[in-house]
Amino acid sequence: DSGVTQTPKHLITATGQRVTLRCSPRSGDLSVYWYQQSLDQGLQFLIQYYNGEERAKGNILERFSAQQFPDLHSELNLSSLELGDSALYFCASSVSPTTGDIQYFGAGTRLSVL
Amino acid sequence: AQTVTQSQPEMSVQEAETVTLSCTYDTSESNYYLFWYKQPPSRQMILVIRQEAYKQQNATENRFSVNFQKAAKSFSLKISDSQLGDTAMYFCACPYSGAGSYQLTFGKGTKLSVIP
Repeated sequence: DSGVTQTPKHLITATGQRVTLRCSPRSGDLSVYWYQQSLDQGLQFLIQYYNGEERAKGNILERFSAQQFPDLHSELNLSSLELGDSALYFCASSVSPTTGDIQYFGAGTRLSVL
Repeated sequence: AQTVTQSQPEMSVQEAETVTLSCTYDTSESNYYLFWYKQPPSRQMILVIRQEAYKQQNATENRFSVNFQKAAKSFSLKISDSQLGDTAMYFCACPYSGAGSYQLTFGKGTKLSVIP
């Protein structure tokens, strides 16, 4: 168990809908990262937060947004869902956004858009 | 931008044998780390080993070791005495860090099957 908690484990929804994925980082970790794993694109970095502040954006679509709350948990919001958004979404956390810090991953949320 | 290449999409190894997974990377950073993560069928991403680029000595964690060639930008993972539980996808990762930011760039992965 990495100590990073993601809910829900599975999510099935329809095109055009909106969903929220939730992540609780390891105790003591201030930095949260979101990654998307799809069959054709592999693991792609989406966005990073540190202590409530957005620090880096990767290949995140405009239909997607995220935030990190004062208690350090984070939510990834996906809206106007398309079939191509079906993927495994991972949250990871680390103590700080310092190169070399180990990122610990949650078990992921499997999103299926039908 | 960082790029990470894993040239072996699939590999197999007999139980108790040794196998080496290849990874090459490209980075503009001068001080960096490299990582190998494992993703078993459970989907959980698990850190296998971490290498500090400024250290000459190759990292070792029990049966897992790396062969780090900085000039060649090569970072291979050697698994000794392979066990059935080593069956998984293995991903090489190279970080990119900026002002207060930090992200991992992953290779496409190598699917390793350990055969009894």
